[in-house]
Amino acid sequence: ILNVEQSPQSLHVQEGDSTNFTCSFPSSNFYALHWYRWETAKSPEALFVMTLNGDEKKKGRISATLNTKEGYSYLYIKGSQPEDSATYLCALTGGTSYGKLTFGQGTILTVHP
Amino acid sequence: GAVVSQHPSWVICKSGTSVKIECRSLDFQATTMFWYRQFPKQSLMLMATSNEGSKATYEQGVEKDKFLINHASLTLSTLTVTSAHPEDSSFYICSAPPGGTGANVLTFGAGSRLTVL
Repeated sequence: ILNVEQSPQSLHVQEGDSTNFTCSFPSSNFYALHWYRWETAKSPEALFVMTLNGDEKKKGRISATLNTKEGYSYLYIKGSQPEDSATYLCALTGGTSYGKLTFGQGTILTVHP
Repeated sequence: GAVVSQHPSWVICKSGTSVKIECRSLDFQATTMFWYRQFPKQSLMLMATSNEGSKATYEQGVEKDKFLINHASLTLSTLTVTSAHPEDSSFYICSAPPGGTGANVLTFGAGSRLTVL
């Protein structure tokens, strides 16, 4: 059973602050790591899919890095805005069945104006 | 972009009744649909995988006779919680890969919160 851990569980920041959070996972049998952004009452939105050690991906003010050898990924948000408030989920694909995701519990981000 | 519409978004039912949750892919054909659930303060957990025109496959510990999945068309998959009990109260969410095989990103519905009294 894959164990995906996210930290912190929740985070409160002020508008304009930059922030980051962590996803940890077993480094063996790695296939792909997904980051999703999930606003209340909406569908989770895919941010990144990362597969290679050392991958860095960026989408606007959000970026992510991946270290498969040590089993972690960081998600960074630069200059947080209130609309960034959401739950950020990471999930691991343990094999070629990409739909079978093992999720972490998520990091709840609240950005205060 | 690809959209999955899920209904109802919340439902309250009495113990012993059955509840059906629908997921429709609006602008793509979903040959496969993944059903997840989330209990309070826990992670999303995969329950089952449905494939159009064939039987669903269930994850270990998920009762197939309790959670009936039907995937009769390329745009509709349904999950029926039969004889629901309070312990079935949970958040259920479906997802599908848009674009058929080869797509490695899932499109999710908005989820359905089930409360069984």
